[in-house]
Amino acid sequence: DSGVTQTPKHLITATGQRVTLRCSPRSGDLSVYWYQQSLDQGLQFLIHYYNGEERAKGNILERFSAQQFPDLHSELNLSSLELGDSALYFCASSVATVGTGYQETQYFGPGTRLLVL
Amino acid sequence: GIQVEQSPPDLILQEGANSTLRCNFSDSVNNLQWFHQNPWGQLINLFYIPSGTKQNGRLSATTVATERYSLLYISSSQTTDSGVYFCAGILFANAGGTSYGKLTFGQGTILTVHP
Repeated sequence: DSGVTQTPKHLITATGQRVTLRCSPRSGDLSVYWYQQSLDQGLQFLIHYYNGEERAKGNILERFSAQQFPDLHSELNLSSLELGDSALYFCASSVATVGTGYQETQYFGPGTRLLVL
Repeated sequence: GIQVEQSPPDLILQEGANSTLRCNFSDSVNNLQWFHQNPWGQLINLFYIPSGTKQNGRLSATTVATERYSLLYISSSQTTDSGVYFCAGILFANAGGTSYGKLTFGQGTILTVHP
């Protein structure tokens, strides 16, 4: 168990709908990352939040948005869903350690499997 | 961004065999992680290994940062080792003392271990 929790585990919805995926990071971790794993694109970084602020964006569609709340949990909102949005969505968390350089291990949650019909 | 290449793409073994998985990076990475994705889809951390060698039971990993590659060794493989193995690297950009690295994953090596 990585200590990162994600809900729901599975989600089945229809095209055009909107869903919200939730993530709770490990205790003490301020960074939350979202990744998408699809058959054709592999594992891809979507977005990173640190202590409530967006820090980096990857290949995230405009129909997708995320936020991190004061209690550090994060939500990924997917709207106007298309068939191609069906994927496994992972949340990861980390705490950066400053030593001789930045050291960061990302710990992944169990994922939310989204199926758009 | 960095490119990550993993080899071989597929590997089939008999239980008890040893194997080596390789990960090449197109550019220098600050951090490197190896993951195992089990048949249920869970991504399990194996190693955080930006350089040097680490061992954990039957698994060990070596990263040669100057030559931009990492190796994962699996000895005496078991059927429970089956799944997909990913390596991933991070390029860091720092601002205000906060790292915001994004993991770039390889395409993975699909390992099947037969009894």
